[in-house]
Amino acid sequence: DTGVSQNPRHKITKRGQNVTFRCDPISEHNRLYWYRQTLGQGPEFLTYFQNEAQLEKSRLLSDRFSAERPKGSFSTLEIQRTEQGDSAMYLCASSLQLSPLHFGNGTRLTVT
Amino acid sequence: AQSVTQLDSHVSVSEGTPVLLRCNYSSSYSPSLFWYVQHPNKGLQLLLKYTSAATLVKGINGFEAEFKKSETSFHLTKPSAHMSDAAEYFCVVTPGESSGAGSYQLTFGKGTKLSVIP
Repeated sequence: DTGVSQNPRHKITKRGQNVTFRCDPISEHNRLYWYRQTLGQGPEFLTYFQNEAQLEKSRLLSDRFSAERPKGSFSTLEIQRTEQGDSAMYLCASSLQLSPLHFGNGTRLTVT
Repeated sequence: AQSVTQLDSHVSVSEGTPVLLRCNYSSSYSPSLFWYVQHPNKGLQLLLKYTSAATLVKGINGFEAEFKKSETSFHLTKPSAHMSDAAEYFCVVTPGESSGAGSYQLTFGKGTKLSVIP
């Protein structure tokens, strides 16, 4: 069990650029979640996969955001045409059915 | 619908004294409740969970929490604070797996920053 891995740890980008983050869950976990955390706030749910199927999406996930989990293993979160308001920590978590979430260390996005 | 209110944004205690971090929740379903801890620039680590078994839940590092349905509370306690406990703590609610809610969203409180004074 190597834990949930997220890359990159930090990303600085200019407004209007596209960015993509990757999450590698714990290998046997079938559920994968994306959360966003801004300064001074708790994490907010973005989306959830069970295997390769995206089963829930928050209204926070605008049409500039897209997440995939091909083959039910790693996941990517892409933000198109980034805005300054997208600056946040993006957290990935994974779990087995009926078990608590295990979180990665996050990707900190700064949009200048 | 579900929500979490952490009643204190910042708690400061002296090393060796008790810790109390307060959490109230609201849920349309029989909830599962968790406490997570986040150290600076680190991911979230599960401290403990309540999933409709025993109402007094013991977690890691000497923490425990008591589920009180009548008070809709899930306060986190520790008898004696250690310097390494300084971190941010999040109370979390989710519909229980057997609730039929069809949702696995975790709803986080805004967090309580715990400072431990030597």
